[in-house]
Amino acid sequence: KNEVEQSPQNLTAQEGEFITINCSYSVGISALHWLQQHPGGGIVSLFMLSSGKKKHGRLIATINIQEKHSSLHITASHPRDSAVYICAVLPSHEKLTFGTGTRLTIIP
Amino acid sequence: NAGVTQTPKFQVLKTGQSMTLQCAQDMNHEYMSWYRQDPGMGLRLIHYSVGAGITDQGEVPNGYNVSRSTTEDFPLRLLSAAPSQTSVYFCASSSYRALSSYNSPLHFGNGTRLTVT
Repeated sequence: KNEVEQSPQNLTAQEGEFITINCSYSVGISALHWLQQHPGGGIVSLFMLSSGKKKHGRLIATINIQEKHSSLHITASHPRDSAVYICAVLPSHEKLTFGTGTRLTIIP
Repeated sequence: NAGVTQTPKFQVLKTGQSMTLQCAQDMNHEYMSWYRQDPGMGLRLIHYSVGAGITDQGEVPNGYNVSRSTTEDFPLRLLSAAPSQTSVYFCASSSYRALSSYNSPLHFGNGTRLTVT
């Protein structure tokens, strides 16, 4: 079983819909990262969380340390949000463990 | 600021050949790391470094070698390429030794697509 599980693996939605991507992990962590991988392959860091909630524009990330769960929300989704979203956790000693990603497609 | 620069973007090797993937950053980051990305699998850590002269193994280090002689550069060497090393390789850096620091996002290079025949 992977230490980091993301759901869903694939998500297709209409433009304007509210999007939720989930990340569950099985180990104690000191931080969790959300990353975005564009269709061209580049990877961008969206958020780093150790507790609570962060917001950047239309993106919101939350984490519940007790439940070992994090969610990434996108409000008013747009076709340019189409990408693979990756969750990564930091259990210890600078070694990140990554989920397999959620492929999001927003249809105009 | 160029950020994290990886070269080459594409490479084809024959089994048994050796090569070096280059990674350089101009942000004075202490932490640098190499990952491979394979279909259906998450990014997997190959090697990482928390500063010049310091390297450590990740999840999948076999067949790869690294060194960190300067803060800026972190090359990844394939000693004797095998088809199982066909993958997309990413280099990433961060500004703090401990990635759990509040303001330590990862900065990724654009990746190197390696094919071993």
